[in-house]
Amino acid sequence: DAGITQSPRHKVTETGTPVTLRCHQTENHRYMYWYRQDPGHGLRLIHYSYGVKDTDKGEVSDGYSVSRSKTEDFLLTLESATSSQTSVYFCAISESSGGGEQFFGPGTRLTVL
Amino acid sequence: QQQVKQSPQSLIVQKGGISIINCAYENTAFDYFPWYQQFPGKGPALLIAIRPDVSEKKEGRFTISFNKSAKQFSLHIMDSQPGDSATYFCAAPLVTNMLTFGGGTRLMVKP
Repeated sequence: DAGITQSPRHKVTETGTPVTLRCHQTENHRYMYWYRQDPGHGLRLIHYSYGVKDTDKGEVSDGYSVSRSKTEDFLLTLESATSSQTSVYFCAISESSGGGEQFFGPGTRLTVL
Repeated sequence: QQQVKQSPQSLIVQKGGISIINCAYENTAFDYFPWYQQFPGKGPALLIAIRPDVSEKKEGRFTISFNKSAKQFSLHIMDSQPGDSATYFCAAPLVTNMLTFGGGTRLMVKP
């Protein structure tokens, strides 16, 4: 398995609170991605990074921010969580851009009450 | 907003049968079409991918068929097994640096 860990694995929080999810890799891959998975919607890209301090928006970026200060860590922050952000969040890494294999982490299940 | 349309949403197949999942897209930044497999409680994992200088790619019981003119590609699982029961996602690079995923197909293979 690719060396990707996500923390926490489960989190329950209340509406309006800030939440940060962490993705850590040991593969030294350049590209890192945050997806959310919801029934019927498949995997939707939130943000991605193409290098340290280099990030860009995906298709569902509203309400989320990201940071990447080191190659190995990619943080996803919900500044003020809402119930619509209840989801399973996956981090993925790849050596190349969209045309290469992405390796996914185990996921974080987030519930916003 | 461009999408990748995947069908069916769910599929039930008898053991030994053929499972077929289809995907359609509008336009891509380049030609690379992967299929991912996801088991419950796990992250998706690459199953098979095609870079269409060919119209078909086969790996064991899994085959991708690609129709560039129709902008469609499909996954065929031959001799389907209960262990193939999972959710399958197609994806396409609609935009540079990104993969856009289909909505997923939940496959159940009955013994």
